[in-house]
Amino acid sequence: KAGVTQTPRYLIKTRGQQVTLSCSPISGHRSVSWYQQTPGQGLQFLFEYFSETQRNKGNFPGRFSGRQFSNSRSEMNVSTLELGDSALYLCASSLYPSDTQYFGPGTRLTVL
Amino acid sequence: QQQVKQSPQSLIVQKGGISIINCAYENTAFDYFPWYQQFPGKGPALLIAIRPDVSEKKEGRFTISFNKSAKQFSLHIMDSQPGDSATYFCAASIPDNYGQNFVFGPGTRLSVLP
Repeated sequence: KAGVTQTPRYLIKTRGQQVTLSCSPISGHRSVSWYQQTPGQGLQFLFEYFSETQRNKGNFPGRFSGRQFSNSRSEMNVSTLELGDSALYLCASSLYPSDTQYFGPGTRLTVL
Repeated sequence: QQQVKQSPQSLIVQKGGISIINCAYENTAFDYFPWYQQFPGKGPALLIAIRPDVSEKKEGRFTISFNKSAKQFSLHIMDSQPGDSATYFCAASIPDNYGQNFVFGPGTRLSVLP
């Protein structure tokens, strides 16, 4: 069974731009969570989707948004990028919320 | 109450030694405690997990010890190898919608010297 895939793997943007990251969960998994990982803050929860509905949202500004499609694939969008948004963005999928999460390789976003 | 505390922040162990990483939590609603291993440039990978109805779980060289009354759990890596050098995260999850289902510790960077 294929694992969680994330595209793109690397991204360089400039301040003020917007970016969309994509996540394809493991086949059959309906829950997708997004995390931001930085050296100083560790894994910070962004949001979780289950059956196309956002169930939970972390403490991030409204510039961070996401959605989930009927095939469980998910996207997250960051608008008006700031230097501090540079991070590894991780997607994790699970069969259902609170079940074991399996992480993708992440998207490394660099904001210049 | 939603936090998971993890220590030490970094750990250096000689090859063949035992690596021990500790985590503590406050919320007794947590009912699932996984450990993740992350190598540089990779996403975290599930290593081993435990539920509070058992006090210990062993998989190969990796053992989780769980102390429900103390609200603590730890990862023991026996016969540590240089290939175990990675960052380890403990986590805890809540079965119902109490906000974030999974809470992660801040991570421990393990270095195993050859």
